[in-house]
Amino acid sequence: TQLLEQSPQFLSIQEGENLTVYCNSSSVFSSLQWYRQEPGEGPVLLVTVVTGGEVKKLKRLTFQFGDARKDSSLHITAAQPGDTGLYLCAGRYNQGGKLIFGQGTELSVKP
Amino acid sequence: EAGVTQSPTHLIKTRGQQATLRCSPISGHTSVYWYQQALGLGLQFLLWYDEGEERNRGNFPPRFSGRQFPNYSSELNVNALELEDSALYLCASSGTSGIQGSYNEQFFGPGTRLTVL
Repeated sequence: TQLLEQSPQFLSIQEGENLTVYCNSSSVFSSLQWYRQEPGEGPVLLVTVVTGGEVKKLKRLTFQFGDARKDSSLHITAAQPGDTGLYLCAGRYNQGGKLIFGQGTELSVKP
Repeated sequence: EAGVTQSPTHLIKTRGQQATLRCSPISGHTSVYWYQQALGLGLQFLLWYDEGEERNRGNFPPRFSGRQFPNYSSELNVNALELEDSALYLCASSGTSGIQGSYNEQFFGPGTRLTVL
């Protein structure tokens, strides 16, 4: 069974703090996506990482793919209330087309 | 460019009934994926259609079925509805068929909220 463990599940922080979300698997991914989802809406794609060791930045968000392509992290610098939402990592394996999703991290940033 | 669209937004059914959910992919996309997001269970893969064919199926009973039309839009049918089928059903599309070794980003629609009473 292909599993993707995401942590922490819940995170409540003050505006201006930094945070890191982790995504781990025992299997190797061909690619990994990070999504953000607001209540009642579909997930919105933030980034795709493909190469082991790859680092991508999106404003205050930094995404890293592990060297072995089994894990990934999302780091947010100086979080703002607008960052509040559900963050999902999703891994794709070579076959099958489907994405395997982590359980998600519910982030709340208080002003 | 229009994104993935889904209809209806909300659907209320009673146990034993059938539900039909619809999805239109991004223009030019040939693959459509269906996922179920039930409370506390995260997103679970249901079905993948590409070029009109079912390519892969998740661990769901045969009551869940669907099809893809020549214009690449798709329909998800859920027969003999059960209370635990209540969930947000999400459709995603991607640009090319998921060939081995490739990565094709999936873009999601807003979902259909199905409530079974």
